[in-house]
Amino acid sequence: SQTIHQWPATLVQPVGSPLSLECTVEGTSNPNLYWYRQAAGRGLQLLFYSVGIGQISSEVPQNLSASRPQDRQFILSSKKLLLSDSGFYLCAWWGLGEAFFGQGTRLTVV
Amino acid sequence: AQSVTQPDIHITVSEGASLELRCNYSYGATPYLFWYVQSPGQGLQLLLKYFSGDTLVQGIKGFEAEFKRSQSSFNLRKPSVHWSDAAEYFCASGGGSTLGRLYFGRGTQLTVWP
Repeated sequence: SQTIHQWPATLVQPVGSPLSLECTVEGTSNPNLYWYRQAAGRGLQLLFYSVGIGQISSEVPQNLSASRPQDRQFILSSKKLLLSDSGFYLCAWWGLGEAFFGQGTRLTVV
Repeated sequence: AQSVTQPDIHITVSEGASLELRCNYSYGATPYLFWYVQSPGQGLQLLLKYFSGDTLVQGIKGFEAEFKRSQSSFNLRKPSVHWSDAAEYFCASGGGSTLGRLYFGRGTQLTVWP
């Protein structure tokens, strides 16, 4: 069966520090992958999506970037975090007619 | 562009009462529609989805939703709420050129009183 792994679960980082969140999918090949952010009291905002290795589409301009170095690996990064980057980050893959979500990473920038 | 509106930020119901969570979408064609539930600090779990066909969709945990094209709505219902249903509920739509690209509402927080 297909599973999606996302880590770390929680992260506290100082302003100006780098960020790397990783997401991997098992049990499927060439999935469409997505990074969403959920800010406090708000819905999910799509940040990036990828339809294949090295293919990244950005939905909104921001301080973050994404990469897809392998078929089932999707990474969210930042060179210098801002306070406004705090939130709950969710990775997802699309398959079988629905989106499957990871457990999320709670990022607090201090 | 697609968008989803969930007009109720927070709803409180008593255990055993019926529930309806509202969702309206904006899209030129018939969208794919979803309801997800999120427990605190967790990812999202799919409750049900609508692609085509029968407009009344049955999901897990006793939930159902009805697609009404004339009202651009996809409201979620449950006849009798359980305390374990307390969570945040998200409506989402999709169906554009990018398969799997979903547009989410801001969510409705459900509180259940014993």
